[in-house]
Amino acid sequence: DIVMTQAPLSVSVTPGESASISCRSSKSLLHSNGITYVYWYLQKPGKSPQLLIYRMSNLASGVPDRFSGSGSETDFTLKISRVEAEDVGIYYCGQLLENPLTFGSGTKLEIK
Amino acid sequence: EVQLVESGGSLVQPGGSLKLSCVASGFTFSNYWMDWVRQTPGKSLEWIGEINTDGSKTNYAPSIKDRFTISRDNAKSTLYLQMSNVKSDDTAIYYCIANGFAYWGQGTLVTVSS
Repeated sequence: DIVMTQAPLSVSVTPGESASISCRSSKSLLHSNGITYVYWYLQKPGKSPQLLIYRMSNLASGVPDRFSGSGSETDFTLKISRVEAEDVGIYYCGQLLENPLTFGSGTKLEIK
Repeated sequence: EVQLVESGGSLVQPGGSLKLSCVASGFTFSNYWMDWVRQTPGKSLEWIGEINTDGSKTNYAPSIKDRFTISRDNAKSTLYLQMSNVKSDDTAIYYCIANGFAYWGQGTLVTVSS
């Protein structure tokens, strides 16, 4: 199984500042079709997870452009610019390259 | 508006069975592969399995294979998860998911305990 490792476990951010969350996969997520199958999700308190970024760098529908995704074949970054109070929650990375699909253990974002 | 509404979660004894349902609306259900994912209390997300558009093909996580069965009824826009021989480790919130993980339901809680 592909292991997804996230860091840090938690991050505390001042509103208006930026935050970055890292995710590393145990295997390249770059498919032969040129698409990198890493996804990012946010689970707000008491809610279901919601898709933020798909295929490493594509913004999901309705997601503010303060969110961006980047990376290589095995190392990925979610960046949140100008953090707002509504961004609190747990961020997960996940891979959709191969079964079984797997997720990182999550990064909790708090507001200072 | 896209909606996925899960139901069927409850308290079940170890070794028992349970069937979860997920009713979809707001999109053409029959056009999409569907997935089930669970989230254990205080822990991360675990993929359970998936089913193709016409229900002829399923894939499962090794951890639950042979105990859980995913099926669908496109005429009713409904996805199912049949759980059998449940264990305490199956205690979790179960989510149904569509459209490449863009759509998530609100989840239904399954508690396995005697």
